[in-house]
Amino acid sequence: QVQLVQSGAEVKKPGASVKVSCKASGYTFTSYAIYWVRQAPGQRPEWMGWIRPDNLNTRYSQSFQDRVIFTSDTSATTVYMEVGSLRSEDTAVYYCILGQWLGYWGQGTLVTVSS
Amino acid sequence: QAVVTQEPSLTVSPGGTVTLTCGSNTGAVTSGHYPYWFQQKPGQAPKTLIYDTTNKHSWTPARFSGSLLGGKAALTLSGAQPEDEAEYYCLLYYGAGVFGGGTKLTVL
Repeated sequence: QVQLVQSGAEVKKPGASVKVSCKASGYTFTSYAIYWVRQAPGQRPEWMGWIRPDNLNTRYSQSFQDRVIFTSDTSATTVYMEVGSLRSEDTAVYYCILGQWLGYWGQGTLVTVSS
Repeated sequence: QAVVTQEPSLTVSPGGTVTLTCGSNTGAVTSGHYPYWFQQKPGQAPKTLIYDTTNKHSWTPARFSGSLLGGKAALTLSGAQPEDEAEYYCLLYYGAGVFGGGTKLTVL
């Protein structure tokens, strides 16, 4: 069955970086893009962008394109999302999602930014 | 950036029908915005119910349907069940995705 399993919760200080992983299984890894969405506590979700593991093309939301990098490791069937220059407003649950139909969601990774 | 609007809250009686809408400040919502609908219950990840305006996933209950209505995207729930009480978000694409503010649906 299709699964996206994300790395565990992180606590970071302002100005630091965080890298969240999303390990995919149950389908051909290079067939579909992986999307990233985050949700701050009590807020609406926020679309961050996507990466295509087959050609490593990426698309970033304007809100994130200066601080976020998506990467992919086909041998590990894992996609990564790194956010730099963290600030308190980046405290959120970060989700990876499979495919343009946004069918399968990872369990989410809580990133807490606090001094 | 575009702003996507939803009703903040709606109430439906068990067995009743309710329509949630999703509008855009840039004009009418069309199929070219590829509207999505998500259901989120407290403490859980969102679940995608509808994609590309009308398409359902295998797990989407038949009582949910998506459409375009009066220049907006719409999610209609026919025959509401207590377990449908949740927050519902829509997502529209403008090259990049923008989520609406969500509708808190109460089944009462």
